Amino acid sequence: AQSVTQLDSHVSVSEGTPVLLRCNYSSSYSPSLFWYVQHPNKGLQLLLKYTSAATLVKGINGFEAEFKKSETSFHLTKPSAHMSDAAEYFCVVGPGTNFGNEKLTFGTGTRLTIIP
Amino acid sequence: NAGVMQNPRHLVRRRGQEARLRCSPMKGHSHVYWYRQLPEEGLKFMVYLQKENIIDESGMPKERFSAEFPKEGPSILRIQQVVRGDSAAYFCASSPSQILNTEAFFGQGTRLTVV
Repeated sequence: AQSVTQLDSHVSVSEGTPVLLRCNYSSSYSPSLFWYVQHPNKGLQLLLKYTSAATLVKGINGFEAEFKKSETSFHLTKPSAHMSDAAEYFCVVGPGTNFGNEKLTFGTGTRLTIIP
Repeated sequence: NAGVMQNPRHLVRRRGQEARLRCSPMKGHSHVYWYRQLPEEGLKFMVYLQKENIIDESGMPKERFSAEFPKEGPSILRIQQVVRGDSAAYFCASSPSQILNTEAFFGQGTRLTVV
């Protein structure tokens, strides 16, 4: 079984300040982990993914995330927020080594607001 | 290479009608997934298909919902006798192989409104 918890439903930061979106996961296997972003009335875009290689993963638009097995966390960070970062962010756990399971399990999302 | 194409983008149906949602995967992708997003919630897995086969439909409601991915043409998610609770955004994703090896590419979704 796998599950994912996004600890904050809303996060507000000022433009130019750091962003931290928190995510904890649970999986009976070694998971794959993803962050997706959804802009209003748009589809989902992959920001970054972890698939058992380097634990610090760099993604698009300056985002990165660190896989911490001991803390079962995969928090998303960005050093300096931009107005265009305002969106809904989803932490997602994938099957990893759970062969035969093709489900992605989504968190409930974190809405990021950027204050000018 | 066009992305995952879903149509229509918006669909309005009266209670009791049928809704047909289409998904054309990215070129070369033979794995298709359907997810449903209810308002203010994350996406929930519905069904996983490969060409002409349903592999996992554990997230699909037992009644009124069906999905197919024929040898030729797009994948279809069909909802018969729609009810207000079916109102949601339905997303399709595709991948070139199993998700454990790669990522899923999502379409822009079909927003179904049942009136």
